[in-house]
Amino acid sequence: KQEVTQIPAALSVPEGENLVLNCSFTDSAIYNLQWFRQDPGKGLTSLLLIQSSQREQTSGRLNASLDKSSGRSTLYIAASQPGDSATYLCAVCFIGGGSNYKLTFGKGTLLTVNP
Amino acid sequence: EPEVTQTPSHQVTQMGQEVILRCVPISNHLYFYWYRQILGQKVEFLVSFYNNEISEKSEIFDDQFSVERPDGSNFTLKIRSTKLEDSAMYFCTTSGRFLRAVAKNIQYFGAGTRLSVL
Repeated sequence: KQEVTQIPAALSVPEGENLVLNCSFTDSAIYNLQWFRQDPGKGLTSLLLIQSSQREQTSGRLNASLDKSSGRSTLYIAASQPGDSATYLCAVCFIGGGSNYKLTFGKGTLLTVNP
Repeated sequence: EPEVTQTPSHQVTQMGQEVILRCVPISNHLYFYWYRQILGQKVEFLVSFYNNEISEKSEIFDDQFSVERPDGSNFTLKIRSTKLEDSAMYFCTTSGRFLRAVAKNIQYFGAGTRLSVL
């Protein structure tokens, strides 16, 4: 059974700091890994998606890497801002029953960026 | 950019009542999913649906839950008799089938329906 773990559970940093969020998964037979942002009480905003054949993806101040063989991904946020405060979720996509793709999520990292 | 539309955004209901959550998939998408997130917990897979039948369902998806595509466009999740523990955010996702198989594994999320059972 696929399990996704995110470390740390919570992180508080001063504005301007670079930071790294970690995600690990138990079964390396994944098709892609996705990082999401979730604001309190809101839906999911997709930040970056890395296909299994890729090693990293970048969007603005965000960079996500994937090491499929070791079951790890990191999300790097450069020059953090108070507006980055949110919960960041990692999800892996793999084949479920009926040959459909299925997502398994981690519990998330709650990020607080202090002005 | 095409998007998945979910209605209503917030549904309040009394325990024991039936609710129907609706989702309009991205045009030409063929694979449909429901996930839920109880407040403060992980997003969990509920069910996948393809070719008018359930492909897989989780242990959460018991006899109180059902899904269908009644008119070939909307994709609905029905909870027959709601319980307090059904209170959660419900997300619909869809994915397509294109010439390149890689597109099939990218799921697009709706904004979610918050269900509050009183």
